Amino acid sequence: SQQGEEDPQALSIQEGENATMNCSYKTSINNLQWYRQNSGRGLVHLILIRSNEREKHSGRLRVTLDTSKKSSSLLITASRAADTASYFCATGAGSTLGRLYFGRGTQLTVWP
Amino acid sequence: GAVVSQHPSWVICKSGTSVKIECRSLDFQATTMFWYRQFPKQSLMLMATSNEGSKATYEQGVEKDKFLINHASLTLSTLTVTSAHPEDSSFYICSAQPLADMKQNTDTQYFGPGTRLTVL
Repeated sequence: SQQGEEDPQALSIQEGENATMNCSYKTSINNLQWYRQNSGRGLVHLILIRSNEREKHSGRLRVTLDTSKKSSSLLITASRAADTASYFCATGAGSTLGRLYFGRGTQLTVWP
Repeated sequence: GAVVSQHPSWVICKSGTSVKIECRSLDFQATTMFWYRQFPKQSLMLMATSNEGSKATYEQGVEKDKFLINHASLTLSTLTVTSAHPEDSSFYICSAQPLADMKQNTDTQYFGPGTRLTVL
């Protein structure tokens, strides 16, 4: 399976702390994406990192990709209560653009 | 930004009935849309790729006669759950990839808010 697997499954921190989530996958990829999902809602795209990139930043988000280890990490700095959500990594691969395979997600809870 | 809507947002139906879920890209064209289902506290599972003007491509293990997909225009795809049973109860989410983005060879997708299906 190409499905990504996030670690940890759940993370609970205080506001202001940094949150780090990891994702591992099994096969070669074209890119890896991180999404956020609030409970019972759709997904919001956070960041995409291509297979030839190693690090990418977007605001308080920092994503790294290590293709040799088939792993990625998402760092949220100075977390806020509003960051509470589930975070998923998704891998894109294969000949059909857009087919994404999601991991189980990390449930992040940020306490005020 | 690119917005995708789904209708209805939730539906409750009796076992044996069929339910249609619509996915619309509101401010962009999408030749390709995707349908996912998600069980509580689980991952999203890709069900099928919906292609405008052609047959959908189903993932392994997904019954095409059970989950009918029609992509009639560049802004609308529908998923019909036929003869629904309680085990079909789930959260169904669609996504769309802007045609312009596809031409630029990017993979960003925009997701709808989801449809909660409960089959009694």
